Amino acid sequence: EPEVTQTPSHQVTQMGQEVILRCVPISNHLYFYWYRQILGQKVEFLVSFYNNEISEKSEIFDDQFSVERPDGSNFTLKIRSTKLEDSAMYFCASSEAPKGSEEQYFGPGTRLTVT
Amino acid sequence: AQSVTQPDIHITVSEGASLELRCNYSYGATPYLFWYVQSPGQGLQLLLKYFSGDTLVQGIKGFEAEFKRSQSSFNLRKPSVHWSDAAEYFCAGMNSGGYQKVTFGTGTKLQVIP
Repeated sequence: EPEVTQTPSHQVTQMGQEVILRCVPISNHLYFYWYRQILGQKVEFLVSFYNNEISEKSEIFDDQFSVERPDGSNFTLKIRSTKLEDSAMYFCASSEAPKGSEEQYFGPGTRLTVT
Repeated sequence: AQSVTQPDIHITVSEGASLELRCNYSYGATPYLFWYVQSPGQGLQLLLKYFSGDTLVQGIKGFEAEFKRSQSSFNLRKPSVHWSDAAEYFCAGMNSGGYQKVTFGTGTKLQVIP
């Protein structure tokens, strides 16, 4: 069964450093998402992406964040200058279509630790 | 604003006992609804989903959920809990008429005792 994959599984970085989290969505999917889960809290939507542009973003997704689909398979989340409060599990998801009965498929997540 | 509420933060049940996890939603129109399970350090696994039609939906691992429009609820049930069901369970909703942004509840942590 096709699945969403994410690398790395765990990333440790120092405050102020840039990080790039990578995701490979399911191959025929066209819509991509990032969510995050701070330890002990609920999963929160960050951004959705379609046709090489952001469809929707939350208030969390400020100028420090950016997303990109650099090639036909990868989908990345960049945090330009990490802060301690960026420590969280980051989930990538993809779906075939934004409407209709199309669910999102989630990857296993990348745990980001900012020290 | 769209929201999903899980009123129980933590539930403890005995192995073999029945389980019901509560979920309430607040959306302008009937949303799509999901239940996900997350084991410690793991990702989100979809248990079941409701889009339309039959209000009782069956999922994996013996779980089922019932959509009740009158109560704005989508409770998750299992007739007999196994120790391996210990995990955190998230109810989630998605607007059926717009962009697919999934809104998660705060989660219910299930503990199973022998």
